[in-house]
Amino acid sequence: SQQGEEDPQALSIQEGENATMNCSYKTSINNLQWYRQNSGRGLVHLILIRSNEREKHSGRLRVTLDTSKKSSSLLITASRAADTASYFCATGYNNAGNMLTFGGGTRLMVKP
Amino acid sequence: DAGVIQSPRHEVTEMGQEVTLRCKPISGHNSLFWYRQTMMRGLELLIYFNNNVPIDDSGMPEDRFSAKMPNASFSTLKIQPSEPRDSAVYFCASSLNGYEQYFGPGTRLTVT
Repeated sequence: SQQGEEDPQALSIQEGENATMNCSYKTSINNLQWYRQNSGRGLVHLILIRSNEREKHSGRLRVTLDTSKKSSSLLITASRAADTASYFCATGYNNAGNMLTFGGGTRLMVKP
Repeated sequence: DAGVIQSPRHEVTEMGQEVTLRCKPISGHNSLFWYRQTMMRGLELLIYFNNNVPIDDSGMPEDRFSAKMPNASFSTLKIQPSEPRDSAVYFCASSLNGYEQYFGPGTRLTVT
């Protein structure tokens, strides 16, 4: 399995602080994606970074990818209580890159 | 757009019964994915359709599970006979020619 592993499993911060989540994976990938899941809901796509990219930004999100270390990080800046959710990394491993293996997720709690 | 629609949202059934989960992907999307999420195993890809054709079903746990996509706007996941260990949240996701997947709200299945 190419399942990614998120670190930490749980993170609790104060509103306004930055949150950093890490993801490690095992074999070559086509792309890496981050998704958010609010309790009891489906997953929502946040950002995708391709294997030939090193950094990507989207609003308050910053994703980095280090293919030599097989790792990625997701940074949420100036966190808000509404960012409270579970965050998953997913690696696209087939040629088309659209078959995904999800990690176990990081549960983020942002305290107001 | 209504997003990915799944039904039922909750299903409680007895062991041995047949269970059918339904999914309507986003109109125009050509890829459809079925996932299963449990606390123990996380989020697992069960089967992937492209243009209504099953491309990869290696994640289907056993012969009790089957999935169909008779047309571009409808898919079913059937479990027959169901067992308690099938209890999970089942998600359907769709995508258009690419990587970003749109998830439905999920069906919470409880097999007693």
